[in-house]
Amino acid sequence: EAGVTQSPRYAVLQEGQAVSFWCDPISGHDTLYWYQQPRDQGPQLLVYFRDEAVIDNSQLPSDRFSAVRPKGTNSTLKIQSAKQGDTATYLCASSRSGNTLYFGEGSRLIVV
Amino acid sequence: AQSVTQPDARVTVSEGASLQLRCKYSYFGTPYLFWYVQYPRQGLQLLLKYYPGDPVVQGVNGFEAEFSKSNSSFHLRKASVHWSDWAVYFCAVRGAGNKLTFGIGTRVLVRP
Repeated sequence: EAGVTQSPRYAVLQEGQAVSFWCDPISGHDTLYWYQQPRDQGPQLLVYFRDEAVIDNSQLPSDRFSAVRPKGTNSTLKIQSAKQGDTATYLCASSRSGNTLYFGEGSRLIVV
Repeated sequence: AQSVTQPDARVTVSEGASLQLRCKYSYFGTPYLFWYVQYPRQGLQLLLKYYPGDPVVQGVNGFEAEFSKSNSSFHLRKASVHWSDWAVYFCAVRGAGNKLTFGIGTRVLVRP
């Protein structure tokens, strides 16, 4: 069984640029999570979906961050007008019906 | 709201020695608890999970953890550390919606 796949693995931006991260969850997993992990910190939840519906996006900086999962499978996290404070690894995880979360390898973002 | 405290940011241990990583949680009710490991440049991998029942939980690669309700703790142990255990270890508690709240992690360095 394939794991959670994320791309790109790395991105380097200047402030003000935009970037999109893509996540392909494990087949059959209905719930998908995006976490932000700043350097030397634990992951912090940004948003999560059940199928195509956003269940909780209360921690997503809505002015510059957006996330979609239009068909309830793959998901895209987009950052517009990136800031240096957005430098972090963005982790995608999926689960089946509220069971164990499985994480991808992450997309590492550096904003200079 | 739930929280997790990992009081040791870094632990150095000799190969073959025993290891204990501390985790304290705050949660109203019966917690579901997890330990994840993050190897360099990789995502998080599940080591073990506690669902209410036996307080001692066995995981992969010789790891085990013990739940204590009276101490609000979920410490991780390994009897004999291998060089490949060099990684960052995260404790997490599950909240509503299967959302995980993580600690800041403990970095384990293994001396030859």
